[in-house]
Amino acid sequence: GESVGLHLPTLSVQEGDNSIINCAYSNSASDYFIWYKQESGKGPQFIIDIRSNMDKRQGQRVTVLLNKTVKHLSLQIAATQPGDSAVYFCAENKDGGSQGNLIFGKGTKLSVKP
Amino acid sequence: DSGVTQTPKHLITATGQRVTLRCSPRSGDLSVYWYQQSLDQGLQFLIQYYNGEERAKGNILERFSAQQFPDLHSELNLSSLELGDSALYFCASSPDRGGFTEAFFGQGTRLTVV
Repeated sequence: GESVGLHLPTLSVQEGDNSIINCAYSNSASDYFIWYKQESGKGPQFIIDIRSNMDKRQGQRVTVLLNKTVKHLSLQIAATQPGDSAVYFCAENKDGGSQGNLIFGKGTKLSVKP
Repeated sequence: DSGVTQTPKHLITATGQRVTLRCSPRSGDLSVYWYQQSLDQGLQFLIQYYNGEERAKGNILERFSAQQFPDLHSELNLSSLELGDSALYFCASSPDRGGFTEAFFGQGTRLTVV
């Protein structure tokens, strides 16, 4: 896989490689972060979340890393598959219990080459 | 399927007109959120309702309004429509009973103003 710079709009990876999608968030007071996947013609779909008291969380084939010092979030996808092709958004929340009041990043389009 | 239902899926209308978008949240979810997704602005939070009452407001224009009914479904009303209002409008819901839980998004309503 390849590591990409912040705010890069597209990422192309080979099937089977690892993908890393980066995101910078805006508010140091944000306490909850979510990665969403949006396929063409569909609504955003939850992938994984992380609270500000953690710096790493793992799911199935996905890992989210949080660096509060530099306000940076990353999503790692292991063994990327063609079905992972989508736009990925990071989102931050700073309203405590109102989890839907999210501030979304611009998104990164992931393309997986077979 | 997220469990959030939005109708209609597509809507084409003329400038100056008024439309109503409808959202049925997941069963048991008390909070409903509306988001606008356009090419130049990305996903923008508009407004949140919790158990029938407005809880948070984002970048919602004065020409737009929303409400949540006793059965918890919600409607987003868009009036005096302009070409720039053409976008995808998403509804999301979450339980919001405390703690950190993600919001589940519907499939969206694509509004085209001509």
